[in-house]
Amino acid sequence: EPEVTQTPSHQVTQMGQEVILRCVPISNHLYFYWYRQILGQKVEFLVSFYNNEISEKSEIFDDQFSVERPDGSNFTLKIRSTKLEDSAMYFCASLLGTGTEAFFGQGTRLTVV
Amino acid sequence: DQQVKQNSPSLSVQEGRISILNCDYTNSMFDYFLWYKKYPAEGPTFLISISSIKDKNEDGRFTVFLNKSAKHLSLHIVPSQPGDSAVYFCAASASVNFGNEKLTFGTGTRLTIIP
Repeated sequence: EPEVTQTPSHQVTQMGQEVILRCVPISNHLYFYWYRQILGQKVEFLVSFYNNEISEKSEIFDDQFSVERPDGSNFTLKIRSTKLEDSAMYFCASLLGTGTEAFFGQGTRLTVV
Repeated sequence: DQQVKQNSPSLSVQEGRISILNCDYTNSMFDYFLWYKKYPAEGPTFLISISSIKDKNEDGRFTVFLNKSAKHLSLHIVPSQPGDSAVYFCAASASVNFGNEKLTFGTGTRLTIIP
């Protein structure tokens, strides 16, 4: 069964460092997303990406965040200068089209120290 | 701004009985609703969905009911099994945002099935 894969599963980084979280969405999907879940809280939308551009971003997705789909298969989330409060599980998701379910990856646990 | 609410943070149900998880929403633009199951340190796994043109959708042991006038949906699991123990998230999206089917999640309900 096709799945969304994310690497790494766990990333520890020092505050102020840049991190890149990687995702390989399901191959024929058209819509791509990043969500995050801070420990004990709900899953929150960060950004959506369609047709090689950002469709929408949340308030969380400030200038320190960027996304890229560099080669038609990978979908990356970059945090330029990490803060302690960026520590969370980050989930990539992809969607085939309107009215279908989003498939989520296993997540990357980001720990900023 | 909690557009999707799950008011019960936890629920315990005896194995074999029915589990009923509830979800309320406030945004009338939502027209597609989903339930996801999540284990610790894993991504949400899709369970079942319902479009606003329906009031019920069934898939095996899982049934989702939608009451649009009350802006309420529920997930029924029957019979409940120990493997159903997980956190269940209700999520909603609005197809009017074509090209951006972002999901708005509730806070989750931790379901524990007691053997």
